[in-house]
Parts: sequence; C-alpha cells; structure tokens
Amino acid sequence: ETGVTQSPTHLIKTRGQQVTLRCSSQSGHNTVSWYQQALGQGPQFIFQYYREEENGRGNFPPRFSGLQFPNYSSELNVNALELDDSALYLCASSLGTFANTGELFFGEGSRLTVL
Amino acid sequence: GESVGLHLPTLSVQEGDNSIINCAYSNSASDYFIWYKQESGKGPQFIIDIRSNMDKRQGQRVTVLLNKTVKHLSLQIAATQPGDSAVYFCAENIRNSGNTPLVFGKGTRLSVIA
Repeated sequence: ETGVTQSPTHLIKTRGQQVTLRCSSQSGHNTVSWYQQALGQGPQFIFQYYREEENGRGNFPPRFSGLQFPNYSSELNVNALELDDSALYLCASSLGTFANTGELFFGEGSRLTVL
Repeated sequence: GESVGLHLPTLSVQEGDNSIINCAYSNSASDYFIWYKQESGKGPQFIIDIRSNMDKRQGQRVTVLLNKTVKHLSLQIAATQPGDSAVYFCAENIRNSGNTPLVFGKGTRLSVIA
C-alpha cells in the first residue's frame, strides 16, 4: 500500500458531463501529479501541483483542471467529457517536484468510462 | 481486477527462469530512469531507478542496465516468480534541468508460467 487514496474507484458518465476525481496524498508528501492511462498505454502526464499551484502541465486541453488543498490533497476536474476521456486516472504523490524528488507513489486509480 | 493493457508486447517466462524486459527511451537528454510494475487493477509500483552516471544498478532480484549510447534500458528479474506477472513500464525524465515530468513507455506484459 502506498498511502495514496483515490475516489471514486469507478464511475460512468455521458458525453458533455463534468467529473471530479479526488486524491489524498501520502502523509508528508507535498506534491501531487495526475496521469491519464488509456487501455494498453503507459500513463500520460496531465499536470502536477506543488504548494497549491500548478507546477507543470502535459499536452491536455484546458477542460482538464485541478486543485490542491492546504492538506495537499488534490482534485482533477474534467469538463465537457468526450468518449476519448475514458481511461484510468492515476494520482501520484511525492515529497518535492520532479526536479528534486525520488519516487512517485501511485494510488490505484479512478476508472472513468464515458458513454 | 481490470486489465491494464490488452495489446501490449508480452514476454512469457517459465517460473524460476530469468526475465529480461527491454525499453528504448526517447530523450537523449534524460538523466533519470525508473522501472515500474503495474498489477491488474492497481497503480504503478516503483521497482528500481538509475541515474545516467551509472550503467548498472542492482536491487533485490532485479537489475537495471542502462546503455546511453543506444538509449536502451533493461530490467532483469532473477528467478522469476508467479507474483512477478504484471505490466512493466520504464519511465524517464530530466532531473538536472527544470521540472520535467516522468514520461512513461508503452509497457511490456510479463506472464510467468508455473
């Protein structure tokens, strides 16, 4: 167990809807990164949050947004859902950003299906 | 549990044999590399890492080899066990220049035959 918890574990939405995914980081970790993993693919970086600010973003449109709270937990919000957004969304916490940290600790993911 | 990948390259190995999983990384500027293991229905789990100033690093039953000349990384698992069955990803990033994210490869499914 990594100590990173994500909710919900599974959810189904329809095109055009909005979704919020939640992540509680491992105790003491101040950085949260979100990844999207499509079936049969490796995880793709969405963005990272450090000290409640976005600290790096991958090639995802603005309808993917996030928040980090003072307790370092985080949310991923996706607006105007599209069929291609169906994927496993992974949250990873770490102590420090990519530039100065060791391993990422991943949660078990939220499986989103868009119909 | 759910499958993490249906059309990945697959390596089938007899229990007790050694496994070698290969990865060609993309960025010649990358200076840090990690191998992750992902079991069905779970998130990726850290196995071992290596920095670009090394060409070999050993852990418990695992060894990572790095060949920067051809941008190749391999993971060797000794005495493969059924519990090693999973999808394995290599990941890379640049530590010495800014905050670049971990970039994951496509993964290889390891199937251990008992």
